[in-house]
Amino acid sequence: GAGVSQSPSNKVTEKGKDVELRCDPISGHTALYWYRQRLGQGLEFLIYFQGNSAPDKSGLPSDRFSAERTGESVSTLTIQRTQQEDSAVYLCASSRTSGRAGEQYFGPGTRLTVT
Amino acid sequence: AQTVTQSQPEMSVQEAETVTLSCTYDTSESDYYLFWYKQPPSRQMILVIRQEAYKQQNATENRFSVNFQKAAKSFSLKISDSQLGDAAMYFCAYFTGTASKLTFGTGTRLQVTL
Repeated sequence: GAGVSQSPSNKVTEKGKDVELRCDPISGHTALYWYRQRLGQGLEFLIYFQGNSAPDKSGLPSDRFSAERTGESVSTLTIQRTQQEDSAVYLCASSRTSGRAGEQYFGPGTRLTVT
Repeated sequence: AQTVTQSQPEMSVQEAETVTLSCTYDTSESDYYLFWYKQPPSRQMILVIRQEAYKQQNATENRFSVNFQKAAKSFSLKISDSQLGDAAMYFCAYFTGTASKLTFGTGTRLQVTL
């Protein structure tokens, strides 16, 4: 079956513009995660969805960041008024709630460059 | 808070040889899971191996095996018969149901030479 997909693959935007990043999880996966990976760094947790609810938003770095999920499927991560420090790869992952705990399947990521 | 530490920023191994990547973690939980993920230049994170903390037996997946020392909070990855395709960033990660998220180390870049 299809894996996790993300779009766009790459996004270049000017400082101050808003961007939307999309994630399509594996069908039937109820849990969805967003992570950020700065150049040469590990992954930082941003937000976790269970169904359409977000019980853990603790990783969102500022109120410029928001995310939503609809239909227990696609999720969008929105960054408003982008700053240069937002440049990173944004990775999405999904998992089955009743599956092997912690086993997350990742998409290929969106590389965001803020100029 | 849980933390994961990978103290080797870079490692190198010759093709067909064995290499061990180190990982330590800090937690007060008793029930958790540990993972090694591989990230090649394509950026795709690939699950390599998974270990449940309640299991004493070390996990193995073909050429990949772990040395899990729960008391020492150590979780190293051994790659046997290294292949050129093993060259990638390797991330150690921790998961607990109470947090419902993966906590990653900073990664180890593995080079495989001829």
